[in-house]
Formats: sequence, C-alpha cells, structure tokens
Amino acid sequence: TQLLEQSPQFLSIQEGENLTVYCNSSSVFSSLQWYRQEPGEGPVLLVTVVTGGEVKKLKRLTFQFGDARKDSSLHITAAQPGDTGLYLCAGARDSNYQLIWGAGTKLIIKP
Amino acid sequence: NAGVTQTPKFRVLKTGQSMTLLCAQDMNHEYMYWYRQDPGMGLRLIHYSVGEGTTAKGEVPDGYNVSRLKKQNFLLGLESAAPSQTSVYFCASSRRRVEQFFGPGTRLTVL
Repeated sequence: TQLLEQSPQFLSIQEGENLTVYCNSSSVFSSLQWYRQEPGEGPVLLVTVVTGGEVKKLKRLTFQFGDARKDSSLHITAAQPGDTGLYLCAGARDSNYQLIWGAGTKLIIKP
Repeated sequence: NAGVTQTPKFRVLKTGQSMTLLCAQDMNHEYMYWYRQDPGMGLRLIHYSVGEGTTAKGEVPDGYNVSRLKKQNFLLGLESAAPSQTSVYFCASSRRRVEQFFGPGTRLTVL
C-alpha cells in the first residue's frame, strides 16, 4: 500500500514553463521532506517542512505543507533543464523510525 | 568530507551466490539505513540502525542481513542471492531520524 501518492508520475515540459507536483496522503505526518534524484545518483534533500501551512522557498522552487499536514506540493517557476530529475517526497511520523516514501515524479525539462 | 560512500558500485551475481555491500559515513551520524529502489516503487527500507551495535528490520528485510559493528559502517549481506534481489541499493545516514544523506548506490544484477 502506497501511503504517499505522488502525482503526476511523469511530467515533460518546455524550459520556462511553470509546474506543480503533489504529494498526498490520508495520514498525518510530523514533517515532510522533498528530495531530488538525478540519474545514477542517490537522492539529495531539498527541504523539510514541519508546520501545517508552512511555505518554504528555494530559489525558483516553492514547497508547501498542507494545513492538516497530510499533503504537500512543490511548485517550480520558470523551469530549467537543470531541474530535470526524479522528485521524491517522504513523510515522517513520531511513532516510527521509518520514513514513508512516495514513488516519485519524473520531471524532464526540455531546452 | 566524503559523506556517504558505498562499495562496490556495480556487481553481477549468479543465483545462490553471496555478497556484502559496504556503506561508510564520515559525518558521525547515529542513524543508518539500507534501501532498495525499483522502477515505479520508490525507495523501500530493508534494514536500519539507530546506533552502533543495533539493527532493526524495515519494510522488506527477507533475504538480507545487516551489521553495524562500528558507528561509521553499515554492512548489508545477501546470503543466497535471487533474481528478485536485482535492484539498486542505497545506503543513507542521518543525525536525526529525518533529513537523510544518501550514498551513490550499488547496482546489483542477479542472474
């Protein structure tokens, strides 16, 4: 059972366009993280959101944690080819050492 | 700082052979993890450790064993490899439970 659903699974857009990817669950998380993974490499942490309704910005990337702490979104403004990669979300619950991982959104930005 | 390193990077095994994957981290992290990543399934936790000398089962532990004799090292063993264990294996470490740092991965093929 996939406890964290990511959508879309795959997205291919032109350079300069905006996009949003989603990470949804019916479970409440104490925090949620976003990672980016490039081909042949391990995931790299982008951001952690902790408070319901929290918004964090990382240059052209905006991350939001839902008010109920069950979902999150990643918005990229003016996408660039360097944004290409697999974006993974992972949720943490206080009752468990394990992170709950989404299956990822594969993003391709065409020049 | 090398971060998290994994050896080997690639390996091909025949069914029934055994091998050990080595993970090393130089960040003095307490927590270490072994994941496998298969297409469309995201990251699945195999085993993890919350400190030197401790190990625990994750989501998919069958067919694998681990040891954490030194704080900086986490070993993953396959006693009798099966084709279903063909995957990319990632090691990660973290100071706290969340915000994990990943190694570059080991690509394992079992014939």
